[in-house]
Amino acid sequence: QQQVKQSPQSLIVQKGGISIINCAYENTAFDYFPWYQQFPGKGPALLIAIRPDVSEKKEGRFTISFNKSAKQFSLHIMDSQPGDSATYFCAATHNAGNMLTFGGGTRLMVKP
Amino acid sequence: ETGVTQSPTHLIKTRGQQVTLRCSSQSGHNTVSWYQQALGQGPQFIFQYYREEENGRGNFPPRFSGLQFPNYSSELNVNALELDDSALYLCASSKSSARSHQETQYFGPGTRLLVL
Repeated sequence: QQQVKQSPQSLIVQKGGISIINCAYENTAFDYFPWYQQFPGKGPALLIAIRPDVSEKKEGRFTISFNKSAKQFSLHIMDSQPGDSATYFCAATHNAGNMLTFGGGTRLMVKP
Repeated sequence: ETGVTQSPTHLIKTRGQQVTLRCSSQSGHNTVSWYQQALGQGPQFIFQYYREEENGRGNFPPRFSGLQFPNYSSELNVNALELDDSALYLCASSKSSARSHQETQYFGPGTRLLVL
């Protein structure tokens, strides 16, 4: 199974709030889980990534939480800002540069 | 360090025609992957090229073909275009020390293809 399921499809958060996006995967061979941010008309930009040997990774306001036994991982955006309004994709792969399997995306809107 | 670039940015074709999309990989990268992103969906893997050879292919028909050149740039060719081929085509590059040992992929801005 190669599927990665992402939720919610859309999310509205007030400025300063916490945005939480969840993903679940099936293929236990996946060993690299990146998150991409995409603005309209642009290509996806790597935001943060995690490998399953750690349960959490933080970079600035962005944190990935990883639950290997549940085969789930999530992105938390702290202190959400209007500039964070974009579509976020989780992805998974075996071997970082190999075929990426993407979730369906979450459209985030941060209201001022 | 230059990022991934793609050309053209937009393209309009009619059903049955052929199209060639181009990608220049990021400096220092030797692997190129192509993805198709339909409107409102996540990107879908088409294929990957490493050292001028195909190194993996997704669930796309043979009318989707590609090339990688010695300077690591790449082309995506699509023959007999269908209406459903309308999408954003993304190129991603990465640095690989071996066919099975690769690093993070970085995406270009994409080519928006419209098939009428």
